[in-house]
Amino acid sequence: QQKVQQSPESLIVPEGGMASLNCTSSDRNVDYFWWYRQHSGKSPKMLMSIFSNGEKEEGRFTVHLNKASLHTSLHIRDSQPSDSALYLCAASANYGNEKITFGAGTKLTIKP
Amino acid sequence: NSKVIQTPRYLVKGQGQKAKMRCIPEKGHPVVFWYQQNKNNEFKFLINFQNQEVLQQIDMTEKRFSAECPSNSPCSLEIQSSEAGDSALYLCASSLSGGHAEQFFGPGTRLTVL
Repeated sequence: QQKVQQSPESLIVPEGGMASLNCTSSDRNVDYFWWYRQHSGKSPKMLMSIFSNGEKEEGRFTVHLNKASLHTSLHIRDSQPSDSALYLCAASANYGNEKITFGAGTKLTIKP
Repeated sequence: NSKVIQTPRYLVKGQGQKAKMRCIPEKGHPVVFWYQQNKNNEFKFLINFQNQEVLQQIDMTEKRFSAECPSNSPCSLEIQSSEAGDSALYLCASSLSGGHAEQFFGPGTRLTVL
């Protein structure tokens, strides 16, 4: 059974600071990673996805992927209080059953 | 904004009772997922469908849980005999093509088993 490990479990970052979140899959067949954000009391919404080695940037958010180590990281620069949320990493492999596996999440709190 | 509809939003059942929740996926999305998110925010995949066919389901689902996605009707997830440990947020998501496509989540059904 594939596991997706996220670290840290929780993170407190001052407003304007950089938040860095990590995620690793145990399944060598994984070829796609997702980052979802879930605000308190809301449903998850996709933030970014990545399947190629390297880096992808969208505004204040940057995602890195190292396929050899099956490790992805999400970096949020100039963090805002509205970034406070649960960040879920998910991974999928091309098994044909369309399943993706979610990690337990990192709870990010941005302190004003 | 996601257009996945889940009903009811809240469900309270006694132990041993049936609990049924429904999901209408986004129009044109053939793949539907059910997840259970517990009080520790841990996500557990339960089952997924492509059109009306089950693609994969976990063992837990095979025993007390049943789910279906009939054509032209809402998808449903039913727990035959609820247990206290089933108390959780049940999230339905839909996507265009499954594992390598973005999933759009509904607001969830929060089940409390007393």
